Amino acid sequence: DAGVIQSPRHEVTEMGQEVTLRCKPISGHDYLFWYRQTMMRGLELLIYFNNNVPIDDSGMPEDRFSAKMPNASFSTLKIQPSEPRDSAVYFCASSLAAGNQPQHFGDGTRLSIL
Amino acid sequence: GENVEQHPSTLSVQEGDSAVIKCTYSDSASNYFPWYKQELGKRPQLIIDIRSNVGEKKDQRIAVTLNKTAKHFSLHITETQPEDSAVYFCAASMETGNQFYFGTGTSLTVIP
Repeated sequence: DAGVIQSPRHEVTEMGQEVTLRCKPISGHDYLFWYRQTMMRGLELLIYFNNNVPIDDSGMPEDRFSAKMPNASFSTLKIQPSEPRDSAVYFCASSLAAGNQPQHFGDGTRLSIL
Repeated sequence: GENVEQHPSTLSVQEGDSAVIKCTYSDSASNYFPWYKQELGKRPQLIIDIRSNVGEKKDQRIAVTLNKTAKHFSLHITETQPEDSAVYFCAASMETGNQFYFGTGTSLTVIP
């Protein structure tokens, strides 16, 4: 199994630009999670999906952030417009549905907003 | 909601010594407790987990203990090696939702 695949691995862009982060979960996993990691705030859950449906987006910082999961094998996290304080590592994770299961993380996207 | 606290935030041990990281949780409904290791610049990786129907679990040099009454669980690493140096995160989860509540992490340094 290839694991959770994220792209791009690194993104550097200027403030105000739109940023799109992509994630392919492990095949067969029904849950998909988006996290943001910074030194100051640690690992923050932004949003998670079950069977492509958003379940809890209370962690999304503001309206500039949006996430979609159009099918079972693809999800995007979009920031528009981006700001320097959005600079962080963004992780995607997926897990099986049956009861409490481990979450498997992708390699992350390191985002720098100048 | 669930609140997970993790201590200490940093830990330095001599190679060969043991390391212990402790976490507490607030919601008695939590019943699954994974531990993740994150090396610098890498993704968090699951190293061991425990469910509420078990009090202890071991995997080679790593063990986790759970005290449901006191609502705390601990990670024990014996015979530490330099490659154990990383940030370790605990988490708690409930049966519904599969959402993990992560601790703030412990930066472990093993001194050769």
